[in-house]
Amino acid sequence: DSGVTQTPKHLITATGQRVTLRCSPRSGDLSVYWYQQSLDQGLQFLIQYYNGEERAKGNILERFSAQQFPDLHSELNLSSLELGDSALYFCASSVASGGHGTEAFFGQGTRLTVV
Amino acid sequence: SQQGEEDPQALSIQEGENATMNCSYKTSINNLQWYRQNSGRGLVHLILIRSNEREKHSGRLRVTLDTSKKSSSLLITASRAADTASYFCANSGGSNYKLTFGKGTLLTVNP
Repeated sequence: DSGVTQTPKHLITATGQRVTLRCSPRSGDLSVYWYQQSLDQGLQFLIQYYNGEERAKGNILERFSAQQFPDLHSELNLSSLELGDSALYFCASSVASGGHGTEAFFGQGTRLTVV
Repeated sequence: SQQGEEDPQALSIQEGENATMNCSYKTSINNLQWYRQNSGRGLVHLILIRSNEREKHSGRLRVTLDTSKKSSSLLITASRAADTASYFCANSGGSNYKLTFGKGTLLTVNP
């Protein structure tokens, strides 16, 4: 158990809908990262938050947004869903203040299926 | 792109044999990390090697880093069926420290 909790584990939704994925980082970790994993694109970095502030942005679509709350949990919002958004979405956390200077701990992921 | 590339894409060996996976990357790095992923599960950190280190050991794992060639290798000795998984290298380079992953090597260890 990595200590990172992601909910829900599975999500099936229709095209055009909006979903929210939730992540609770390890106790004491201030950085939260979101990744998308699909068969064709591999593991893609989406966005990083540190102590409530956006720190780095990757290949995140405009239809997607995220935030980190004062209690350090994070949510990834995916809207106007398309079939191609079907993927595993991972959250990771680390203690590093500036980013991945140390290891990242991954949650078990949310498997999103858009039908 | 900072994305690393693992080689080979897939590797099948017998239990007890050694498995070697290679990783190349394109930019300067602060450190390079190896992760393991069992099918459909979360990634698990295996080992981190800093840019000023050349070799690191952890149990049956041995990682080397050659910054002049921008490459790293992961050696798993005396493999077990339970080592069957995908292995990813990830580098932390650039100005924003995000971890960039390669596409992974799928290792199958046959009992």
